[in-house]
Amino acid sequence: QVQLQESGPGLVKPSQTLSLTCSVSGGSISSGTYYWGWIRQPPGKGLEWIGNMFPSGGTYYNPSLMSRVVISVDTSNNQFSLKLNSVTAADTAVYYCARDVGGGSAYDPFDIWGPGTMVTVSS
Amino acid sequence: DIVMTQSPDSLAVSLGERATITCKSSQSVFYNSNKKNYLAWYQQKPGQPPKLLIHWASTRESGVPDRFSGSGSGTDFTLTVSSLQAEDMAVYYCQQYYSHPYTFGQGTKLEIK
Repeated sequence: QVQLQESGPGLVKPSQTLSLTCSVSGGSISSGTYYWGWIRQPPGKGLEWIGNMFPSGGTYYNPSLMSRVVISVDTSNNQFSLKLNSVTAADTAVYYCARDVGGGSAYDPFDIWGPGTMVTVSS
Repeated sequence: DIVMTQSPDSLAVSLGERATITCKSSQSVFYNSNKKNYLAWYQQKPGQPPKLLIHWASTRESGVPDRFSGSGSGTDFTLTVSSLQAEDMAVYYCQQYYSHPYTFGQGTKLEIK
């Protein structure tokens, strides 16, 4: 079955760029009708959707982050990535990558999640 | 953005008893063209990612025990655990996927009394 794994630095300095990769195993990222997304969760707080991406085109971002975020796909390595620039302490969170249920719509919930990776923004 | 508000923030229920969590959206998440409510429920245990329990407001995911059920339409939704088990202790979130940005409720912590 499909599994996701986030990777990237656990510590990022303020004003720098947070870069994370989600590796997909057990299936091809470019097959099917799935959207792939990023969600984050500050320590002890709730969930915030960052954005979704369809491998053959179509990306949606949370307007609150849109000016700072890019989600892209690397089909040759079966990965997708998140870049968030100009980070501050408010960006400290567990970052999850996820796959939606594959209904073929840009509006579906997430049924497969990575274990998450903690990213701390601090000097 | 659609604001999702859950109640209560925390809930303590005895084993075997019923637990009910409500979720209210600031605007309807019912799509008339397909008659579906774009509302999901997740369960999150400490140190784990969220697990999808229910989507389309009332459709249980494969493998989810039938003691979990979802109901409601439009702006008002409920997650019910009919007979609480020890393993149900977790934080539960509702999520609307009717429009971008997707938004989640603040979470309800379900504890054993």
